[in-house]
Amino acid sequence: NAGVTQTPKFRVLKTGQSMTLLCAQDMNHEYMYWYRQDPGMGLRLIHYSVGEGTTAKGEVPDGYNVSRLKKQNFLLGLESAAPSQTSVYFCASSYELGGAGEQFFGPGTRLTVL
Amino acid sequence: GDSVTQMEGPVTLSEEAFLTINCTYTATGYPSLFWYVQYPGEGLQLLLKATKADDKGSNKGFEATYRKETTSFHLEKGSVQVSDSAVYFCALSDRYNTDKLIFGTGTRLQVFP
Repeated sequence: NAGVTQTPKFRVLKTGQSMTLLCAQDMNHEYMYWYRQDPGMGLRLIHYSVGEGTTAKGEVPDGYNVSRLKKQNFLLGLESAAPSQTSVYFCASSYELGGAGEQFFGPGTRLTVL
Repeated sequence: GDSVTQMEGPVTLSEEAFLTINCTYTATGYPSLFWYVQYPGEGLQLLLKATKADDKGSNKGFEATYRKETTSFHLEKGSVQVSDSAVYFCALSDRYNTDKLIFGTGTRLQVFP
């Protein structure tokens, strides 16, 4: 099992550009999450999904969109990137909603917006 | 709202020293408590967890006890190794509002030979 994978690993964007981050899991988990990690702020939840075709807003959803067209994939989109979105992005999945069970994390995507 | 407070790092120790990383929480419900570890260049992985008061979670020589009276979940290890160098995150999940984990800001541990 590959677990949770993320692509790309690194990306540099210019302000106003768009991009999509892909998360894939092979554990048949229903629940998937996107977090951002910033220095001194821990991890903050951007969006999450409780199953194929569903999405919900987390703590910091503004400027991001998500889609869950297939159970194993969870996409995070930035339509018009801003320097404030420079961060490390982590995807996670779990077999129980939220923290009732263990969340499994991908290796992260380091995004820089110039 | 619910929150987690961790001691600021970095924590710098010599190999075989005793480790304590403090974590306290605020929650209105009955949270489950977690410690996650992030090794350099990797994602987070669950280290241990406790789901009710007085439970002790343990793994890889690390331990933490769920103390409801002091709202704490301090991480301890009796003898750290260089390979324990990482960032440690305390987190909680409210059993009745389990749509997310709430993380602390993380504590970096550096262990020197």
